[in-house]
Amino acid sequence: AQKVTQAQTEISVVEKEDVTLDCVYETRDTTYYLFWYKQPPSGELVFLIRRNSFDEQNEISGRYSWNFQKSTSSFNFTITASQVVDSAVYFCALILHASGGSYIPTFGRGTSLIVHP
Amino acid sequence: DTGVSQDPRHKITKRGQNVTFRCDPISEHNRLYWYRQTLGQGPEFLTYFQNEAQLEKSRLLSDRFSAERPKGSFSTLEIQRTEQGDSAMYLCASSPLRVQETQYFGPGTRLLVL
Repeated sequence: AQKVTQAQTEISVVEKEDVTLDCVYETRDTTYYLFWYKQPPSGELVFLIRRNSFDEQNEISGRYSWNFQKSTSSFNFTITASQVVDSAVYFCALILHASGGSYIPTFGRGTSLIVHP
Repeated sequence: DTGVSQDPRHKITKRGQNVTFRCDPISEHNRLYWYRQTLGQGPEFLTYFQNEAQLEKSRLLSDRFSAERPKGSFSTLEIQRTEQGDSAMYLCASSPLRVQETQYFGPGTRLLVL
């Protein structure tokens, strides 16, 4: 069975600091998708990124960057120069490609990021 | 193109009452998923539809829960004889045919059972 671990329950930083959110996953499958979602206090999960297991290239989008390492089964998320608007709960998720077409994700428990002004 | 919408956003009910939630997916998204989320946890899968067909249900979905998507567009989730343990956020998500692994979520319905 697959599993996603987000060991950091809560992270508190001061605005403009860089912060990395950790995600470690477990699966015996070789093909899968990894995701990050942001959940602000309003409740809606906002899609941030999808990464295919075949593609280990790191990705940067503005202040956001993602480091995917299959060797350590990790998919970490870094926010550079954090802002108060980044305060939210961030979820990492895993979908197995061989899920029978259901594409049902396994979510981690989330990391609550608090950015202080 | 509007996002996924859910109604109501908040619901307070008394134990034993029935409640119904509605989800409108993104237009032309053929898949629709329902999740439940409790405090400090990630979303837990309940059920999903491909068009109007309900293809899979989680063991979390007890007999008191029923979901429909009659015309392959909006969906409803009904909880009968609510219990205090049903208090949670109920999230809906949809995904398009070409990128089925990527789901887009609605704002959720927060249910409180007194």
